[in-house]
Amino acid sequence: DAKTTQPNSMESNEEEPVHLPCNHSTISGTDYIHWYRQLPSQGPEYVIHGLTSNVNNRMASLAIAEDRKSSTLILHRATLRDAAVYYCILRDLIQGAQKLVFGQGTRLTINP
Amino acid sequence: KAGVTQTPRYLIKTRGQQVTLSCSPISGHRSVSWYQQTPGQGLQFLFEYFSETQRNKGNFPGRFSGRQFSNSRSEMNVSTLELGDSALYLCASSSIPRGNQETQYFGPGTRLLVL
Repeated sequence: DAKTTQPNSMESNEEEPVHLPCNHSTISGTDYIHWYRQLPSQGPEYVIHGLTSNVNNRMASLAIAEDRKSSTLILHRATLRDAAVYYCILRDLIQGAQKLVFGQGTRLTINP
Repeated sequence: KAGVTQTPRYLIKTRGQQVTLSCSPISGHRSVSWYQQTPGQGLQFLFEYFSETQRNKGNFPGRFSGRQFSNSRSEMNVSTLELGDSALYLCASSSIPRGNQETQYFGPGTRLLVL
């Protein structure tokens, strides 16, 4: 399974943008980059995913480097509710497999 | 649409006992995956079921098993419990696979404590 590397923790202030980095230097050509987050006392929830182009949805934006060896999850205006552990995941390539390989993630703290 | 539900939410067992956890996926979802989450090892994939067949299995001993029923509900069983099996067990469901972009929807988990 391709590996990802994320900082253990990050801190930001409410209503400011947050940039969460992820390195995936061994990514293969057809690996999709997925982000999930886990709020306290909850199961993980999907945030966003992409392949090559930058992606936007109502929750966040995903910026993917041109060589695809790194990506950045962008929360445009953080709220206290965004405090969570954020996981950057490369989807397993086995046909149809639904296996997610989680790393340690980044624990994001939001200061009021 | 109701989300993924897991029962029970909390469970206390003693070493040597066995336990069965249940997961009801989102209506229409046919794939159910199970994960174990511990402070030391993080989130680890246990297995995945699709149309009552186990399609993928993580690196766990044979004491961990599962099954899926025709209505897509799934159960996982852990026999001969060990202290190290204390964990949060998470179930996730997804719709009919179309590649590797399907979102997995997680339940709240079952917290198992082995004494």
